[in-house]
Amino acid sequence: DTAVSQTPKYLVTQMGNDKSIKCEQNLGHDTMYWYKQDSKKFLKIMFSYNNKELIINETVPNRFSPKSPDKAHLNLHINSLELGDSAVYFCASSQDPQGPSEKLFFGSGTQLSVL
Amino acid sequence: DQQVKQNSPSLSVQEGRISILNCDYTNSMFDYFLWYKKYPAEGPTFLISISSIKDKNEDGRFTVFLNKSAKHLSLHIVPSQPGDSAVYFCAASAAGGTSYGKLTFGQGTILTVHP
Repeated sequence: DTAVSQTPKYLVTQMGNDKSIKCEQNLGHDTMYWYKQDSKKFLKIMFSYNNKELIINETVPNRFSPKSPDKAHLNLHINSLELGDSAVYFCASSQDPQGPSEKLFFGSGTQLSVL
Repeated sequence: DQQVKQNSPSLSVQEGRISILNCDYTNSMFDYFLWYKKYPAEGPTFLISISSIKDKNEDGRFTVFLNKSAKHLSLHIVPSQPGDSAVYFCAASAAGGTSYGKLTFGQGTILTVHP
């Protein structure tokens, strides 16, 4: 009964491949996010979706395409993987992104390694 | 240009003593600040937050202090316990209703509490 679950936990793949990471939340939240933790350990927002609608796209290459089939799911598809895509990707959700509390609930992360 | 910085990569403290984790920010539009705690192989979990209209917020053993003029916040944990050993991330948002959950994170501080 994990609140925010993402799969797979580890993903090792070759350059040029296409891969997807799935995320589901059972908290009833309206907003979901993808964050990337780079090699310097900074967590940076990539996308946010509110009720299946794209709200934030932080200048992410268009090889990254989020898909939200419903407000409980936000998947991340990556085309033509590059070495620099290696990172930990975190899915998150929140109840009210415009409220006074920006409390996000995170999944456990997907460690992506591009060889 | 990192707008949120945690200049201490690590901190080591004896059990029972106080842990003080520091965070500096540069963006004067930030008006809401959060601390997240992260264990290995898990996602960050929310710990405590503070609005810019306050200078202190307390929750049990955890207290966050905000000095707006210095653009500095700190997290105090007292008394520290071995279970507090984790990575602590400072985060900030320009909540004013338009940030849509976009948090700007620091790079984290590894806290180790020795028994």
